Amino acid sequence: QKEVEQNSGPLSVPEGAIASLNCTYSDRGSQSFFWYRQYSGKSPELIMFIYSNGDKEDGRFTAQLNKASQYVSLLIRDSQPSDSATYLCAVKGTLTFGKGTMLLVSP
Amino acid sequence: DTAVSQTPKYLVTQMGNDKSIKCEQNLGHDTMYWYKQDSKKFLKIMFSYNNKELIINETVPNRFSPKSPDKAHLNLHINSLELGDSAVYFCASSQAQGETDTQYFGPGTRLTVL
Repeated sequence: QKEVEQNSGPLSVPEGAIASLNCTYSDRGSQSFFWYRQYSGKSPELIMFIYSNGDKEDGRFTAQLNKASQYVSLLIRDSQPSDSATYLCAVKGTLTFGKGTMLLVSP
Repeated sequence: DTAVSQTPKYLVTQMGNDKSIKCEQNLGHDTMYWYKQDSKKFLKIMFSYNNKELIINETVPNRFSPKSPDKAHLNLHINSLELGDSAVYFCASSQAQGETDTQYFGPGTRLTVL
């Protein structure tokens, strides 16, 4: 069974801090990974995807991928209260989502 | 204009009934999906269609039957509804099935079975 694991949280950080969200996956053949943000009662919206080992930056967001360790993470710099949401990690090939990590950013 | 739309937004029905959820995308995408998100917020793929052809059919009861009249539409019909079918159902679409093709989600349909 292909699995994607995330800590359900909540992860609480103060405004302006760096939030670090982690995800591990079981299928060693997985190629690309997506991070989605889902506000309560809303649909998932894409933040970014990554398919190469290393870091990929987009504004305040940085995705990190380590295929050898089967680990992907999302860093959010200068966290804002509006970042408070559930963050879903997904493996594109198998269309498998993690259960999500709830992030709470306090003013 | 809404890229991926679903109707209805809310659906409340009795056990044993048959219901349908409609999905339409105006992005010109070739691939469409149905996901189920349960009360614990776990999002699970149910079906995937590419150009009206079924590509993925996960372990879903055969009471669930997707229908794609054209590549812009993917409807979900559910027979003999059960309490456990209560969830939010999301439709999504992507340009193709490639590793980097982004999925765009509809607003969801909250199904409540009484």
